Amino acid sequence: KNQVEQSPQSLIILEGKNCTLQCNYTVSPFSNLRWYKQDTGRGPVSLTIMTFSENTKSNGRYTATLDADTKQSSLHITASQLSDSASYICVVSGNYGGSQGNLIFGKGTKLSVKP
Amino acid sequence: KAGVTQTPRYLIKTRGQQVTLSCSPISGHRSVSWYQQTPGQGLQFLFEYFSETQRNKGNFPGRFSGRQFSNSRSEMNVSTLELGDSALYLCASSLAPDSYGYTFGSGTRLTVV
Repeated sequence: KNQVEQSPQSLIILEGKNCTLQCNYTVSPFSNLRWYKQDTGRGPVSLTIMTFSENTKSNGRYTATLDADTKQSSLHITASQLSDSASYICVVSGNYGGSQGNLIFGKGTKLSVKP
Repeated sequence: KAGVTQTPRYLIKTRGQQVTLSCSPISGHRSVSWYQQTPGQGLQFLFEYFSETQRNKGNFPGRFSGRQFSNSRSEMNVSTLELGDSALYLCASSLAPDSYGYTFGSGTRLTVV
């Protein structure tokens, strides 16, 4: 069964600290993996997207890694800021060129950054 | 360039009523998908439209329906509302039904009382 599991479910860190969020997937075939940031009450905003041949992608203080062999991805946030408080969702696509119905969503990690 | 626009932003309805939500895609985007997001289930795919045709449908009851107009704007309708339909409803648009380049709107928060 195609699944995307994220851990931890929630995380509290102090401003300025680093953190790493995990995403494990069993989606096959694999096309690409995307990390989204979703502020409360807003729609998700794409942070990074990686195909199976890419193993690192950065977007400012956000760095995503992908290990297609072990089917694991991580999102590392450096020098966290209060504005990083949000839910981070891992989304895996199993079918390039197909339907958005083929997207498999994780349930997200809720990150709270405290002053 | 305007983003994906969803209206209304907030809605309160009573059980048994029906509701229509609207989504205007980014200009030039012809594919629109709808999702339901709840704290317990996360994001769940409802349906996808491209060129006024439903291409894919998620595992939701027939009370959930949608359509797409010739200008690519889309509406979704939920009839006979139940308390469990309370959720954030998101739409996403893309140029075509592929896995790249889709952008989400800010959603419509529906509360059923």
